Amino acid sequence: TQLLEQSPQFLSIQEGENLTVYCNSSSVFSSLQWYRQEPGEGPVLLVTVVTGGEVKKLKRLTFQFGDARKDSSLHITAAQPGDTGLYLCAGGATDSWGKLQFGAGTQVVVTP
Amino acid sequence: GAVVSQHPSRVICKSGTSVKIECRSLDFQATTMFWYRQFPKQSLMLMATSNEGSKATYEQGVEKDKFLINHASLTLSTLTVTSAHPEDSSFYICSAPWKTNYGYTFGSGTRLTVV
Repeated sequence: TQLLEQSPQFLSIQEGENLTVYCNSSSVFSSLQWYRQEPGEGPVLLVTVVTGGEVKKLKRLTFQFGDARKDSSLHITAAQPGDTGLYLCAGGATDSWGKLQFGAGTQVVVTP
Repeated sequence: GAVVSQHPSRVICKSGTSVKIECRSLDFQATTMFWYRQFPKQSLMLMATSNEGSKATYEQGVEKDKFLINHASLTLSTLTVTSAHPEDSSFYICSAPWKTNYGYTFGSGTRLTVV
C-alpha cells in the first residue's frame, strides 16, 4: 500500500499570512491531486499534477510536485477566511483510474 | 464540468432499518464509482469500488452484506446500508473519475445518523 503522509494536521493563521501544506510518500505516484473540503460537503478538486518538478498556480495557491514524484506541496499566499477548509492530497494513476490514496488531511483555519 | 449528484444529503433512521444512498453522474458516464466513509475531522476511507455491470470490490474489513452496492447503469450507483446500527452513523461520499481533468469528482455527501 502506498502511504501519503500529510502535514501539518492542523493550521491556524491570521488573514494575510502565508501557509504551506506538505504531502510526502516513499512511493512514486503517477499523479497527485489536491482537494479542498468544506464541512458537510464533498471534496472539490483544486489541481492535478502529473510531471515531476511541475509547478501549477491557481490564483493565490501554488502547487508543486517533487522531481521524483513522491512528494508535493501546497502554498497559499495572503490567506483569506474563504481559504478555510480541509485540504486533502491524493495520489493516483492517470493511466488506470483506480482508487486514490488519500493523505490524512490538513485542517486550515484562517481568522479575520 | 463533471457533476455527481448524491442523495439524500441527510438521513436519520432507526436502528435495524435500511438506508439507500444514490449517486448519479449528470453529464458523463461513470463506469466506476468509489464509495467512501468519513468520520469527523478525518480523511476519506475507501469502502468499495463499484463497476457498471459487475460485482463491487470491497476493501478489507468492509462487510459486503451490510453495505450493498449496485451499479446498474452508467449513470447510477447506489449504496444501501442494511440493518443500520448507531456505529454506522457517518458521512458517506461517492466519487467517479473525471478523466478530462485528470481528477475525480465527488458527490456532496450523505450524513447518516442512526438512532
